[in-house]
Amino acid sequence: RKEVEQDPGPFNVPEGATVAFNCTYSNSASQSFFWYRQDCRKEPKLLMSVYSSGNEDGRFTAQLNRASQYISLLIRDSKLSDSATYLCVVTSYNQGGKLIFGQGTELSVKP
Amino acid sequence: EADIYQTPRYLVIGTGKKITLECSQTMGHDKMYWYQQDPGMELHLIHYSYGVNSTEKGDLSSESTVSRIRTEHFPLTLESARPSHTSQYLCASSEESEQYFGPGTRLTVT
Repeated sequence: RKEVEQDPGPFNVPEGATVAFNCTYSNSASQSFFWYRQDCRKEPKLLMSVYSSGNEDGRFTAQLNRASQYISLLIRDSKLSDSATYLCVVTSYNQGGKLIFGQGTELSVKP
Repeated sequence: EADIYQTPRYLVIGTGKKITLECSQTMGHDKMYWYQQDPGMELHLIHYSYGVNSTEKGDLSSESTVSRIRTEHFPLTLESARPSHTSQYLCASSEESEQYFGPGTRLTVT
């Protein structure tokens, strides 16, 4: 079983749709959580950190459920420019703080 | 915008050649990383360093080697390139948890 698992994609949605990505992690000692975005043939870039209380950045909302070891990302009013692969990322003290990446979920927003 | 650079951006080279992929950052980060990623596939950590003279192998076995003689510089070397080394190589650095990635080197070994 992979340490970080994401919804298999791709997600094909029309502009304006709301889309949710799910992610589970297996290491209960994980302490930091992130969503990264990777455009085709580009490097990953941090989209947002995920806090226990949940956090929002414009159209993006991230949630963390430590008890269920589950992270989510909600994108409202999706735009064509949201098309990318979204990577769920976790770090753990007992792994030296290394980032553990999920396999990514591809999103394609169509006009 | 993160200040982390990789050269070359693209490299096509013949089997058996020795190659060095350069990575440098100007942020003074102690932690640096090398990832390998095939098209449409997930990132795999192949090397990391937590400071000068510190290097460790990552989760994916790699025939490459790295060195960290200066904080800002973390080159990756392949002594004898093979077609199986064809991939994208991404360098990253961090101070705390957030990692900043370079633009990557797309390597093709013919």
